[in-house]
Amino acid sequence: GAGVSQSPRYKVAKRGQDVALRCDPISGHVSLFWYQQALGQGPEFLTYFQNEAQLDKSGLPSDRFFAERPEGSVSTLKIQRTQQEDSAVYLCASSLDNWRSNQPQHFGDGTRLSIL
Amino acid sequence: AQRVTQPEKLLSVFKGAPVELKCNYSYSGSPELFWYVQYSRQRLQLLLRHISRESIKGFTADLNKGETSFHLKKPFAQEEDSAMYYCALTLTGGGNKLTFGTGTQLKVEL
Repeated sequence: GAGVSQSPRYKVAKRGQDVALRCDPISGHVSLFWYQQALGQGPEFLTYFQNEAQLDKSGLPSDRFFAERPEGSVSTLKIQRTQQEDSAVYLCASSLDNWRSNQPQHFGDGTRLSIL
Repeated sequence: AQRVTQPEKLLSVFKGAPVELKCNYSYSGSPELFWYVQYSRQRLQLLLRHISRESIKGFTADLNKGETSFHLKKPFAQEEDSAMYYCALTLTGGGNKLTFGTGTQLKVEL
């Protein structure tokens, strides 16, 4: 496929469980972003990678949220000890190279996370 | 901190009527502005960006720095324009996140 791929599409977890969300960016895209979209809201920035380097994690809401991109391609967003307020759609976006100029970000379908 | 405001959650127009989706922003520097669209059961996709100064699917948007606005306009609405529209801002220079508004649901009625 040519687009950004996210898995799983839906995830239901009990409060307190750990979850891992995967993002497979468009091949060759250097920049990768994670956003959180609560119901009725616009996406909100979580974190940004340039290759394997996490250059901005200012949007992560707490230390329960952790993201990695060890080989500069696939990225994983992990949420530990989930809380009900973590219920949201998690969007991943990639772009060619966002470092010096703002390239268009291409979004995946998102993972809808529901915490019971 | 930058902020994007879309005052209307829902905008309903008749087919063939003009459309204007409002977007205001607050940022003291020089931003880049975008409109993203999400059609039913599809992913979020870029509609247009102000630096391109282009018309996509009949939509245009002009950056008004004096009024800090970036309203999206189309002279004649089509049924297929029904979707969720998000205005977004980023800082110039690269390496920057998008800040989104809360979105406006456009419904084009026959």
